[in-house]
Amino acid sequence: AQSVTQLGSHVSVSEGALVLLRCNYSSSVPPYLFWYVQYPNQGLQLLLKYTTGATLVKGINGFEAEFKKSETSFHLTKPSAHMSDAAEYFCAVSSNSGYSTLTFGKGTMLLVSP
Amino acid sequence: GAGVSQSPSNKVTEKGKDVELRCDPISGHTALYWYRQSLGQGLEFLIYFQGNSAPDKSGLPSDRFSAERTGGSVSTLTIQRTQQEDSAVYLCASSFTGGATTGELFFGEGSRLTVL
Repeated sequence: AQSVTQLGSHVSVSEGALVLLRCNYSSSVPPYLFWYVQYPNQGLQLLLKYTTGATLVKGINGFEAEFKKSETSFHLTKPSAHMSDAAEYFCAVSSNSGYSTLTFGKGTMLLVSP
Repeated sequence: GAGVSQSPSNKVTEKGKDVELRCDPISGHTALYWYRQSLGQGLEFLIYFQGNSAPDKSGLPSDRFSAERTGGSVSTLTIQRTQQEDSAVYLCASSFTGGATTGELFFGEGSRLTVL
């Protein structure tokens, strides 16, 4: 079984400030981890993913995330927020055990103020 | 088409009626998924297709929900005798290979269902 917990349903930052969205996972097998973003009235799109190899992964729009096995975390960061980053962000987990479906967290809405 | 297409984009129905939601995945994608997105609940997995077969339908909430996929392409999600708690956005996604190991699911924009 696998699950994802995203801390904070809403996160507010000022433009130019650091963005930190928290994600912790639970998985009985080595996980694959993902961040998706959903802009208003749009479908989800992949921001970045960790499968194997380097634990710091970079994605689109300046976002990055670090897989920390000891902390079972995969937090999403961006050094400087932009107004266009305002969206809902979803952390998800799957595994390389046969077929596997993505299990999503409940999402974190990022609000960016000028 | 270039992306995953879902129809209708919006559906308002009366309690007790049946509804059908359609998903047209990206051409060549063998895997297809249905998720449900409710306010504050995130994305809830419903069913996964590999080709025309559904190896995982564990997320269907009740026997009022069913789905099929034909020709390894279009999928239909049917909700019978709709209830107000069925109101949600139903998202379809597809991927090139089976399972989520490649990581990238391509999502449609969803079908928003409102049950009055």
